[in-house]
Amino acid sequence: EAGVVQSPRYKIIEKKQPVAFWCNPISGHNTLYWYRQNLGQGPELLIRYENEEAVDDSQLPKDRFSAERLKGVDSTLKIQPAELGDSAVYLCASSLGLRGARDGELFFGEGSRLTVL
Amino acid sequence: AQSVTQLDSHVSVSEGTPVLLRCNYSSSYSPSLFWYVQHPNKGLQLLLKYTSAATLVKGINGFEAEFKKSETSFHLTKPSAHMSDAAEYFCVVSGANFGNEKLTFGTGTRLTIIP
Repeated sequence: EAGVVQSPRYKIIEKKQPVAFWCNPISGHNTLYWYRQNLGQGPELLIRYENEEAVDDSQLPKDRFSAERLKGVDSTLKIQPAELGDSAVYLCASSLGLRGARDGELFFGEGSRLTVL
Repeated sequence: AQSVTQLDSHVSVSEGTPVLLRCNYSSSYSPSLFWYVQHPNKGLQLLLKYTSAATLVKGINGFEAEFKKSETSFHLTKPSAHMSDAAEYFCVVSGANFGNEKLTFGTGTRLTIIP
């Protein structure tokens, strides 16, 4: 069974440029998460989707970040414009449902490493 | 509110010796606790979990952890380290908050295995 797929794996951009990350969750997983992992830190939740609905986006910087999950499957995370402080690894994860979060059964992709110059 | 504190940012052990990675938690609710492992340039993988069943939980690759409510701890152990155990380990807590559950990660412990 295929795991969570993310692209691109690496992205280098100049500040003020836009960038987008794509995530394809495990088939049948209706909960999707975007996390940001700064260097030397643990992942921090940006947004969580239940199917196509964003049910927790309290940590998403809405002035420059946006996300969507059309048809409740694939998701994209966009940053426009990027700032130097956005350099991090952006992780996508999926689980079977809300219950999955309490059980800790999240399945992570390999991440997209963003460098903003 | 919930949080976890990983007491060591870096642990080094010799191959074949025991591993101990320490984690303390704080939660307003009855918590679920997990350990995740992250190998270089790989996604995070669930190692083991505690969800109010047995306090001693066994995970993959010979790891286990014991939930101690009186000490608010959830330390990760392994009797004999292997070179392949070198990775970053994250202690994670999940607690109910009016149905909006989410995971809170610690800052990680980097485990180095000395040949």
